[in-house]
Amino acid sequence: AQSVTQLDSQVPVFEEAPVELRCNYSSSVSVYLFWYVQYPNQGLQLLLKYLSGSTLVKGINGFEAEFNKSQTSFHLRKPSVHISDTAEYFCAVSEGEANAGKSTFGDGTTLTVKP
Amino acid sequence: EAEVAQSPRYKITEKSQAVAFWCDPISGHATLYWYRQILGQGPELLVQFQDESVVDDSQLPKDRFSAERLKGVDSTLKIQPAELGDSAMYLCAAARGRDTEAFFGQGTRLTVV
Repeated sequence: AQSVTQLDSQVPVFEEAPVELRCNYSSSVSVYLFWYVQYPNQGLQLLLKYLSGSTLVKGINGFEAEFNKSQTSFHLRKPSVHISDTAEYFCAVSEGEANAGKSTFGDGTTLTVKP
Repeated sequence: EAEVAQSPRYKITEKSQAVAFWCDPISGHATLYWYRQILGQGPELLVQFQDESVVDDSQLPKDRFSAERLKGVDSTLKIQPAELGDSAMYLCAAARGRDTEAFFGQGTRLTVV
């Protein structure tokens, strides 16, 4: 069975500051990893994904994440945040190619960007 | 990417009543998922379809929940009878196949009173 732990439930940060949202996972097989963003009363929007290849993954809205297999982590980063980045962020893991869309999610990190 | 359409967006129902949610996935997306997201938590998978067939419903509370995808296109999730603990966001997601990532709809926010 797989699991995801998002290490911070809330992250407050000032506008234009850098941010890192931390995600650790556990799985007994090779994995696909995802970060999603959710605005209030909306569905989930895919920010970025790691399927294979380069461990540094770039996504939309200036976000990037780095897959670290030895530390079983997939932390999300952005060098300079905007007010509009205020939202809930979810890390998710899928057990490989046969079940790419069948994800186990973390409990989310609330990112609050303050002016 | 075209949207996954869900309706209604919001639903309030009394406990013990029946309620249904509808999902129309992106054309050509054979794999469909229903997730439940309780407030303050991440989504949890309820059921997975491949075309019209159920692939995984191990987490679906079958005493009160049912799901169908009769023609392998749109899907309906039903709860009968609804309980207070069913209040949550119900999300539908679709993928081209089991080996590709899923795209989510806007969800249906259910409140049971």
